[in-house]
Amino acid sequence: AQKVTQAQTEISVVEKEDVTLDCVYETRDTTYYLFWYKQPPSGELVFLIRRNSFDEQNEISGRYSWNFQKSTSSFNFTITASQVVDSAVYFCALSELNQAGTALIFGKGTTLSVSS
Amino acid sequence: DSGVTQTPKHLITATGQRVTLRCSPRSGDLSVYWYQQSLDQGLQFLIQYYNGEERAKGNILERFSAQQFPDLHSELNLSSLELGDSALYFCASSSGQAPNEKLFFGSGTQLSVL
Repeated sequence: AQKVTQAQTEISVVEKEDVTLDCVYETRDTTYYLFWYKQPPSGELVFLIRRNSFDEQNEISGRYSWNFQKSTSSFNFTITASQVVDSAVYFCALSELNQAGTALIFGKGTTLSVSS
Repeated sequence: DSGVTQTPKHLITATGQRVTLRCSPRSGDLSVYWYQQSLDQGLQFLIQYYNGEERAKGNILERFSAQQFPDLHSELNLSSLELGDSALYFCASSSGQAPNEKLFFGSGTQLSVL
C-alpha cells in the first residue's frame, strides 16, 4: 500500500531563515507521482508542484525548491529566505498511476510557522 | 480562487442527523473528489467521480454516499451522524480521471456534530 510520511509535525522559524520540509514515501509501483500542496490559514489547499517518478531533476521556483531522491524515497521541499506569508500547513502526496481505483494520498502535513 | 465552490461553508447539526454537502467543480472539469480532514486522521480520500461515474473509493463509511449529477456538480450525503464525523470536508476537481491529475480544492465545509 502506498504511504506518505511527513515526520515533522510542526516547524517554527524566523523570517529569512531557510527551512526544509521532509517527505518520505512508500510505493510498490515504478510509475508514480509526487505532489506538494499548501494549506494557508484560509483553509483552501493550493497545488505547488507535481513530479513523476522518472524525473529526478531538482526543481526551483523562486524561493521554493524541491529535491527528489528515489534512492531514499524522499521528496523534500525547501523554502529559502522564509517569509511570514509562508506560514501554512504543507502536505506531501503520492499517487500511483497503475493502480486502478486509487487517488491522491496525502501525508499528515507539516505546520510551518514563520515569525517576523 | 480555485473555481471550485462548496456549500455550505459551515454546518452544525446533531448526532443521528443527515446532511448534504454540495460541490460545483471548476468549469470544464469532469472529476470530483471528496476528502475529509480531521486532526487525528489528516486528509483522508473518500471517493472520486468522473463524468457521473464512480472512479475510485477510499475510506468512505457506509453511512456516507455521494453522487455526481449530469451538470457535474456533486453531493456528499452523510447520515446517522456521529460526533467523530466532525471534520472539514473538501471537494476537489480535475479535468481528467487519472490519479496523477493536479487537483483544485474548494474552501471546504466545516461540519460540527454536537
